[in-house]
Amino acid sequence: EPEVTQTPSHQVTQMGQEVILRCVPISNHLYFYWYRQILGQKVEFLVSFYNNEISEKSEIFDDQFSVERPDGSNFTLKIRSTKLEDSAMYFCASNAGTGVIQYFGAGTRLSVL
Amino acid sequence: AQTVTQSQPEMSVQEAETVTLSCTYDTSESDYYLFWYKQPPSRQMILVIRQEAYKQQNATENRFSVNFQKAAKSFSLKISDSQLGDAAMYFCAYRTWETSGSRLTFGEGTQLTVNP
Repeated sequence: EPEVTQTPSHQVTQMGQEVILRCVPISNHLYFYWYRQILGQKVEFLVSFYNNEISEKSEIFDDQFSVERPDGSNFTLKIRSTKLEDSAMYFCASNAGTGVIQYFGAGTRLSVL
Repeated sequence: AQTVTQSQPEMSVQEAETVTLSCTYDTSESDYYLFWYKQPPSRQMILVIRQEAYKQQNATENRFSVNFQKAAKSFSLKISDSQLGDAAMYFCAYRTWETSGSRLTFGEGTQLTVNP
């Protein structure tokens, strides 16, 4: 069964460093998403991406965040200068063009020290 | 903006028994989707069940079923014959009908414990 793949599973970084979280969505999917879950809190939407551009972003997704689909398979989330409060689980998701269901990856746990 | 509320931070059930998890939501839209996702200790988000708002019939998936009350904006999940593997955090989520790329709005989650 196709699945969304995220790497790495755990990323540790120093405050102020740049990190790139990587995702490989399901191959025939057209819509891609990033969500964030701070430990013990609800899952929050960050950004959606379609046709090589951002289609929607939340107030959390400020100038320190960016997304990119550098090739036909990868979808990345970059955090330019990490803060302690960026420590969270980051989930990538995708859905097909006519699909309703978003399929999630296993997440990347980001720890900012 | 839509909001989703899960008022039960924790629930427990005995193995083989039935448990119901509550979810309410607020929206001004008439058409939308509702979902229940399961998050086991591995933290992967797994879809359990979905409901289209225009459908009056409640969705069922094996041991999982929902009680969708559109007028009351209520969407509860019933788990029958609970199994140890059902232990997880359960999130209720809302999605607008409008476009294929719409965000999911999640509730706070309910931590379900299954006792042997």
